[in-house]
Amino acid sequence: GAGVSQTPSNKVTEKGKYVELRCDPISGHTALYWYRQSLGQGPEFLIYFQGTGAADDSGLPNDRFFAVRPEGSVSTLKIQRTERGDSAVYLCASSPASGGAVNEQFFGPGTRLTVL
Amino acid sequence: KNEVEQSPQNLTAQEGEFITINCSYSVGISALHWLQQHPGGGIVSLFMLSSGKKKHGRLIATINIQEKHSSLHITASHPRDSAVYICAVERPKTGTASKLTFGTGTRLQVTL
Repeated sequence: GAGVSQTPSNKVTEKGKYVELRCDPISGHTALYWYRQSLGQGPEFLIYFQGTGAADDSGLPNDRFFAVRPEGSVSTLKIQRTERGDSAVYLCASSPASGGAVNEQFFGPGTRLTVL
Repeated sequence: KNEVEQSPQNLTAQEGEFITINCSYSVGISALHWLQQHPGGGIVSLFMLSSGKKKHGRLIATINIQEKHSSLHITASHPRDSAVYICAVERPKTGTASKLTFGTGTRLQVTL
């Protein structure tokens, strides 16, 4: 079946602009994660949704970053007043469930954001 | 100090060699993940383990909970194994969160 998809695959924007990054998780997966990966680094956690609600947004770097998942499926990561330091690959992952079990996370291909 | 440390950062091997990548962590975990990332960004989960050892094809992952250490081994390495291998830990759940904390990755290149 279809995996996690992310759009756009690449986004180039100018400093100060607003961007939206979209993630389509695997159908039926209730957990959705956003990570950010800077060049040469491992991914860093941004925010985690369980269903429609943000269960943990402790990784969002500041209030310019916001994410929604209004219907518990597709999620949008929104970045206001972009800065050059926001340039990174933004990764989305989904997993079947939360609860007590350890769950594999399935990653999307990422969106490469470049802020000029 | 990072919560998850990997070594080596870069590794070059010849085809057929046995490869070991190490991961040490400094926090309590519920599980450890090994992930593979190819150029272009796609990440694939290789293993999740919370104890002992797992094997899949030419890949073997081990974990020692007491020593807070895991290893990923590749037997009979092949150029198609060239990728970045990332170790990530899953902390014991607080509420429903199960976010991953990642190491910086080991870049492996296997040459003919």
